[in-house]
Amino acid sequence: EPEVTQTPSHQVTQMGQEVILRCVPISNHLYFYWYRQILGQKVEFLVSFYNNEISEKSEIFDDQFSVERPDGSNFTLKIRSTKLEDSAMYFCASSEVPEAFFGQGTRLTVV
Amino acid sequence: AQSVTQPDIHITVSEGASLELRCNYSYGATPYLFWYVQSPGQGLQLLLKYFSGDTLVQGIKGFEAEFKRSQSSFNLRKPSVHWSDAAEYFCAVVEVDSSYKLIFGSGTRLLVRP
Repeated sequence: EPEVTQTPSHQVTQMGQEVILRCVPISNHLYFYWYRQILGQKVEFLVSFYNNEISEKSEIFDDQFSVERPDGSNFTLKIRSTKLEDSAMYFCASSEVPEAFFGQGTRLTVV
Repeated sequence: AQSVTQPDIHITVSEGASLELRCNYSYGATPYLFWYVQSPGQGLQLLLKYFSGDTLVQGIKGFEAEFKRSQSSFNLRKPSVHWSDAAEYFCAVVEVDSSYKLIFGSGTRLLVRP
């Protein structure tokens, strides 16, 4: 069964460093997403990506965040200069509208 | 904008007892509704979904949910809870706009007494 895969599963980074979270969506899906879940809180939408461009972004998705689909298979989330408050679980999803399929998440810890 | 409300932050039930987790949504048209389960430190597992048709939907692990348009609700039920059901449960609705993104409720943590 096709699945969404995310790497790494855990990442620890120092404050101010850049991180790139990687995702391989399901190949025939057209919509891609990043969501964030701060420990103990609900899952929040960050950004959606369709037809090689951002279709919607939340208030959380400020200038330090960017997304890219560099090679037609990978889908990446870059955080340019990490802050302590960026520590969270980040989920990638791809969608066969209206159902989204989630990866297992990357736990990002900023120290 | 759509929203999802899960009024119960925590629920504790005894093993073998029945369970109902509440979910209310706000959306004008027929919504696309989902329930996910998350064990500590783990990802989101889809339990069940409702798109249209029969308002009682069956999911995995013996869960079911009933869509009630008149009450804007999509409550999750299980007739007999197992200790392994202890987890966080999230209700979600698709926002049908340019992105079809999911809007999640704040979650209900289920504790199971032996």
